[in-house]
Amino acid sequence: DTGVSQNPRHKITKRGQNVTFRCDPISEHNRLYWYRQTLGQGPEFLTYFQNEAQLEKSRLLSDRFSAERPKGSFSTLEIQRTEQGDSAMYLCASSLSPSNTEAFFGQGTRLTVV
Amino acid sequence: QQQVKQSPQSLIVQKGGISIINCAYENTAFDYFPWYQQFPGKGPALLIAIRPDVSEKKEGRFTISFNKSAKQFSLHIMDSQPGDSATYFCAASRGSARQLTFGSGTQLTVLP
Repeated sequence: DTGVSQNPRHKITKRGQNVTFRCDPISEHNRLYWYRQTLGQGPEFLTYFQNEAQLEKSRLLSDRFSAERPKGSFSTLEIQRTEQGDSAMYLCASSLSPSNTEAFFGQGTRLTVV
Repeated sequence: QQQVKQSPQSLIVQKGGISIINCAYENTAFDYFPWYQQFPGKGPALLIAIRPDVSEKKEGRFTISFNKSAKQFSLHIMDSQPGDSATYFCAASRGSARQLTFGSGTQLTVLP
């Protein structure tokens, strides 16, 4: 296992289109987090899963955003009707709870909405 | 609401010098304080972390100093190297969910 994997690495889309990102966490990790990072800022929490259950969502996660983690393995983050303000790096992280607080991040998916 | 404030925004240090980055938090419920290092095009990677029951933690050239009463913590990088040039983020978390609240980052440049 080489760590948290995110695909695609880069995505350019036209405003109004839908996009979907995938995250494959470290295999034994039961927690999975999504963060958004804009240029020059720290990552901001979006949502997290404990196994397949989505336990918390940030106010940043508007109705156009939806995340799933079927079967508690990989996760997808979908953005509908993309807007230019959605342009950012979308980061996924995973951890093994409750024994370990360390979150391991993937390399992210950079979304550009034109 | 910015719950973790980080300074400076950028820092330039000579090779072999000490790099110091500071963070202050507002939420006294935070109980885990990690520092992350991020290189361009990469995700953040954990450097070192501390809990509020200790005032200092050292791992190699990296030290966290923690002041619970002042609600401040800092990262010291001793003998800074050009390979340390990266963006550093402080963060904090609380409770069982463990989602991280990040500072705004410090871009560190270590001159050879």
